[in-house]
Amino acid sequence: DAKTTQPPSMDCAEGRAANLPCNHSTISGNEYVYWYRQIHSQGPQYIIHGLKNNETNEMASLIITEDRKSSTLILPHATLRDTAVYYCIVRRKYNFNKFYFGSGTKLNVKP
Amino acid sequence: EAGVTQFPSHSVIEKGQTVTLRCDPISGHDNLYWYRRVMGKEIKFLLHFVKESKQDESGMPNNRFLAERTGGTYSTLKVQPAELEDSGVYFCASSQDLEAIATDTQYFGPGTRLTVL
Repeated sequence: DAKTTQPPSMDCAEGRAANLPCNHSTISGNEYVYWYRQIHSQGPQYIIHGLKNNETNEMASLIITEDRKSSTLILPHATLRDTAVYYCIVRRKYNFNKFYFGSGTKLNVKP
Repeated sequence: EAGVTQFPSHSVIEKGQTVTLRCDPISGHDNLYWYRRVMGKEIKFLLHFVKESKQDESGMPNNRFLAERTGGTYSTLKVQPAELEDSGVYFCASSQDLEAIATDTQYFGPGTRLTVL
């Protein structure tokens, strides 16, 4: 059921920007891209979502390509507390009440 | 504002016993969801309540699982009888806006870790 592809893991130096890619080449016109993260032993935490335009909030920025086939989550200044599994989720046009979590990307922020 | 809360945080039971998990959504949220992650697998949707009604229970694994949301506030998920393969983490989430549900953000609780021995 997964409609997204993410690298299984990435490393990032503390204080640097973390850029997490996601491929969603089969996305439909009105399907949203959501990002969540799961810090060890906690529940998934909402980060950001978007449709076409780039989005920014206090946690991160979301860059969606013009063709919408991929996106990048940017944590501008990663800290050790950002070490987590990051999930890119396409919210389906139908069955929109359920999120399909794939395997995500394990981001390791290193000192 | 309090987030989604779940009780208990951990539960260890023996095969064949019954366990009831509880979820308190964010106040005012009409939508309530249950998800779970069993060992080594991805987080999977179980069901969705709109107020007290089951909107979608397509993810419920079998009839040993019973979810209720009496009065449209908190929800319980009962597993009876529990089997070994039910071990995992059960998450609850809630969201607010019935009108804009397609873009309505789900906020997750910390989960209940269930271990069936």
